[in-house]
Amino acid sequence: GAVVSQHPSWVICKSGTSVKIECRSLDFQATTMFWYRQFPKQSLMLMATSNEGSKATYEQGVEKDKFLINHASLTLSTLTVTSAHPEDSSFYICSASPRLLLDTGELFFGEGSRLTVL
Amino acid sequence: AQTVTQSQPEMSVQEAETVTLSCTYDTSESDYYLFWYKQPPSRQMILVIRQEAYKQQNATENRFSVNFQKAAKSFSLKISDSQLGDAAMYFCAFGFYGQNFVFGPGTRLSVLP
Repeated sequence: GAVVSQHPSWVICKSGTSVKIECRSLDFQATTMFWYRQFPKQSLMLMATSNEGSKATYEQGVEKDKFLINHASLTLSTLTVTSAHPEDSSFYICSASPRLLLDTGELFFGEGSRLTVL
Repeated sequence: AQTVTQSQPEMSVQEAETVTLSCTYDTSESDYYLFWYKQPPSRQMILVIRQEAYKQQNATENRFSVNFQKAAKSFSLKISDSQLGDAAMYFCAFGFYGQNFVFGPGTRLSVLP
């Protein structure tokens, strides 16, 4: 099956610094990638939709300037948490939609990244 | 807008027994997909089973099967012969090709030895 790799799997940073999380589709081209945030014992909350070569579409309430998303190629999207604060600590997950795929409708998920801001 | 509801925040089942997780959804669309994803403690989202809305036949994958009732907008998951490794958070999801899913709030399943 299609594989999505997310890196780093966990990161600890100091308050005020920026952290970049990468999401790569390893064996397929992804026209669209999605970024989620998941709080403990809760469901996935969509933060933004990332389309290759265009600006990301952010969900209501998500700060564009804090959560920078770049989708520079068909296999890579990045999420940068800028000037991180303890309240940004969370589990972040990406998913990807293949460009050419038998119409399964399936999304493929990365392993997730746990961010802890001290 | 589409919504997905899972009315059981937590469920438990004895090992080797059968358990059914409930899911209802709301949409005005006629052609869509429904999924059950499993999220174990590792937090990796794992596809359990999928169903195309245009197919009347219920999907099955080994010990996992669904009861898809399109008119009632119901999509329950049955796990037979439950195993300890089935313990996880289970999310019901509604989706279109290439678009984001709408996830339910999840059901935490415990499997008792």
